[in-house]
Amino acid sequence: EAQVTQNPRYLITVTGKKLTVTCSQNMNHEYMSWYRQDPGLGLRQIYYSMNVEVTDKGDVPEGYKVSRKEKRNFPLILESPSPNQTSLYFCASSSPTGPWPGELFFGEGSRLTVL
Amino acid sequence: AQKITQTQPGMFVQEKEAVTLDCTYDTSDQSYGLFWYKQPSSGEMIFLIYQGSYDEQNATEGRYSLNFQKARKSANLVISASQLGDSAMYFCAMREGLENQGGKLIFGQGTELSVKP
Repeated sequence: EAQVTQNPRYLITVTGKKLTVTCSQNMNHEYMSWYRQDPGLGLRQIYYSMNVEVTDKGDVPEGYKVSRKEKRNFPLILESPSPNQTSLYFCASSSPTGPWPGELFFGEGSRLTVL
Repeated sequence: AQKITQTQPGMFVQEKEAVTLDCTYDTSDQSYGLFWYKQPSSGEMIFLIYQGSYDEQNATEGRYSLNFQKARKSANLVISASQLGDSAMYFCAMREGLENQGGKLIFGQGTELSVKP
């Protein structure tokens, strides 16, 4: 089954405690990205990757890091989480080809709370 | 400036009736794509429908149709014969340009639809 898998789905942590949210896709997609969803703001892109070892900032990159060492994986790292990073996070993958150019395939979301 | 605007934070519709969710967009690109996604209370994002800027016909997918008015820069989602399972948050999103650069879509704020029995 084609899917994007994120873990953990739910996490409560404290300010300053480093955490990593993993993301893996099995569709051989070139592009992967991270979004955060906040009420009234919709989804905003944090970081994206167009291929292995190629990453770039999205619209809200502050406080986050990413890496893409393998095509299928794109972890999101919060080195020193702060309460304003409490949010719902989505990993998404996509391909430059396909019937709906730009269609994102989303993971199930990771709800993060930083105390 | 907001590139995607959804002006209805919340809406109610009676079961079996049709409902229109509004979306306006702003871009200077000639080539772009418009998407609607559904987010039920369980949280996942479900792709519903796509309209390309050069598509002459309005997109349709089952009970979903997209009322695309290019000159007005609007891409409203029409859900016919609403069902209780349609209760969810709905997001309008846009891809700017010909290609999907790194997987970026610009999202609106969302509209929460509640279907009443």
